[in-house]
Amino acid sequence: AQSVTQLDSHVSVSEGTPVLLRCNYSSSYSPSLFWYVQHPNKGLQLLLKYTSAATLVKGINGFEAEFKKSETSFHLTKPSAHMSDAAEYFCVVREYNFNKFYFGSGTKLNVKP
Amino acid sequence: DAGVIQSPRHEVTEMGQEVTLRCKPISGHDYLFWYRQTMMRGLELLIYFNNNVPIDDSGMPEDRFSAKMPNASFSTLKIQPSEPRDSAVYFCASSLRSGMNTEAFFGQGTRLTVV
Repeated sequence: AQSVTQLDSHVSVSEGTPVLLRCNYSSSYSPSLFWYVQHPNKGLQLLLKYTSAATLVKGINGFEAEFKKSETSFHLTKPSAHMSDAAEYFCVVREYNFNKFYFGSGTKLNVKP
Repeated sequence: DAGVIQSPRHEVTEMGQEVTLRCKPISGHDYLFWYRQTMMRGLELLIYFNNNVPIDDSGMPEDRFSAKMPNASFSTLKIQPSEPRDSAVYFCASSLRSGMNTEAFFGQGTRLTVV
């Protein structure tokens, strides 16, 4: 069975400090993994995706995520937070040949000046 | 492509009225998803279609909700009769089948308020 766990519902960082948003998944088959961002009152935008080509994935706005199969994790990082990064972030899994997208419960990132 | 297009962006209606939400997926995508987002329940999958055929509607809350996809370029989500607890943001998304480069593309959502 597929599931996604985002370990923190809220994360607060200061501007200029690193960001770490944690995600663990369970999947019976080779998954595709995604991170989406949702700014207040906006739709969901793709940040990055893992589709088995490379374990370290670079996305937009300086975000990265590393796929670790042994840990079943896909944590999202950014070296230096910017005020504009304040938003809600969703980790998503989709298994090959299974077409539903499974969403985590979301992590709200607050960036303090 | 203009992306996934939803209409209306905002809808305010009275309890008991029928509400129809519309979605135009990205051309060539063969999967279409309807989601509902609320503060209390987060993002919920209501139903999804493959090649215009409903595949899984287990997330549809009750018989008041219905969804159709009469052709590859149009889908509707209808609520009849509407209730205040249906107030939420409804998102439509489309994608190619699972495999490489198969993320979901989301519309901007319809914010529904039932008073």
